[in-house]
Amino acid sequence: DTAVSQTPKYLVTQMGNDKSIKCEQNLGHDTMYWYKQDSKKFLKIMFSYNNKELIINETVPNRFSPKSPDKAHLNLHINSLELGDSAVYFCASSQVSGVYNEQFFGPGTRLTVL
Amino acid sequence: LAKTTQPISMDSYEGQEVNITCSHNNIATNDYITWYQQFPSQGPRFIIQGYKTKVTNEVASLFIPADRKSSTLSLPRVSLSDTAVYYCLVGDGAEDGNNRLAFGKGNQVVVIP
Repeated sequence: DTAVSQTPKYLVTQMGNDKSIKCEQNLGHDTMYWYKQDSKKFLKIMFSYNNKELIINETVPNRFSPKSPDKAHLNLHINSLELGDSAVYFCASSQVSGVYNEQFFGPGTRLTVL
Repeated sequence: LAKTTQPISMDSYEGQEVNITCSHNNIATNDYITWYQQFPSQGPRFIIQGYKTKVTNEVASLFIPADRKSSTLSLPRVSLSDTAVYYCLVGDGAEDGNNRLAFGKGNQVVVIP
């Protein structure tokens, strides 16, 4: 069983479209995260949820909206996609919130905006 | 302000011990030092974490001097499959109290046959 799974693995779309990326973890963790890794391999946190509550919201455009229907799922919806949104998006989870807790990452979703 | 500084890349021959250094001059008193490994086309994976002195697990050892301003990840007898980017992280002490892992550029390690 995959601990942290993301769908889709690849996403190619046109500028201006709206798309969603789904994430699920079966580890029973309380905390989930979204990261963005750009072409230069910088990995930056975007959001974090703890028990469905938003606890970290970095300086991310309002076009990005996370949603956590339950603590096992954290989806990322992106409106009006732009070229600069092209990146690999990683979902992660940890048992509890707090930077010192081991984070388990998903396989990533490679988003390409044309 | 970067929290950690690592060499951009390094090569090593198969079977050698690889030591990867990381500088974190502004580490806070309550910060732990954590290392992650990222293979191509995969998400990062936790390797090891420590606060001071030495920590060892089945994968690696982590050496932290008394001043904690640097750390060294040691990989014993690397194989080709150890080719990856290695990230050294410390908590960034964000004002909202929810510390984040601050991933830097990482160190690309290439193991050569």
